[in-house]
Amino acid sequence: QKEVEQDPGPLSVPEGAIVSLNCTYSNSAFQYFMWYRQYSRKGPELLMYTYSSGNKEDGRFTAQVDKSSKYISLFIRDSQPSDSATYLCAMSASGTYKYIFGTGTRLKVLA
Amino acid sequence: DSGVTQTPKHLITATGQRVTLRCSPRSGDLSVYWYQQSLDQGLQFLIQYYNGEERAKGNILERFSAQQFPDLHSELNLSSLELGDSALYFCASTPGQDTDTQYFGPGTRLTVL
Repeated sequence: QKEVEQDPGPLSVPEGAIVSLNCTYSNSAFQYFMWYRQYSRKGPELLMYTYSSGNKEDGRFTAQVDKSSKYISLFIRDSQPSDSATYLCAMSASGTYKYIFGTGTRLKVLA
Repeated sequence: DSGVTQTPKHLITATGQRVTLRCSPRSGDLSVYWYQQSLDQGLQFLIQYYNGEERAKGNILERFSAQQFPDLHSELNLSSLELGDSALYFCASTPGQDTDTQYFGPGTRLTVL
């Protein structure tokens, strides 16, 4: 079993839809949770960074962490065709110096 | 633009050869991380350096090695290349050595023929 599981998709939604992307994990020591967006053949770009549990909002993006369920989510409101990309979750435990990435979910927002 | 630079952008080489990938971190960042991304494996952590010293190792093969120089740039050396080493190689940098947010470079695409 992988430490971080992420549905690879692809996920296709119409423009304006609310998108929900999720990751589950097995390591209860993870405290730092990140979401990255990666366009084709480009480097991952940090979207959201959350410490421990709770919600964090930034514009159209909301990140949620539920440590009791070992489950994190990224919500994208009013999705745009420019949001079409692969979304990677990543997580880390304090002092390990290592990030564990999910395999990424491909999202396609249709105009 | 993340501020992290990587060269070259593309590299095509033959099996058995050796290549060097270069990374310059963001100004002021002391930590450099190297990752391999292939279609079937996702983003795999290889190794981390902090201010010239190795801090963490991931799934890095013995044929691969890295170092970080006094000017903080880093090089990833891949030797005895195999077809399966074809992948995107990314470096990322952070200010410190713990779980700061990582900023990724544009990557080097390695093709081994």
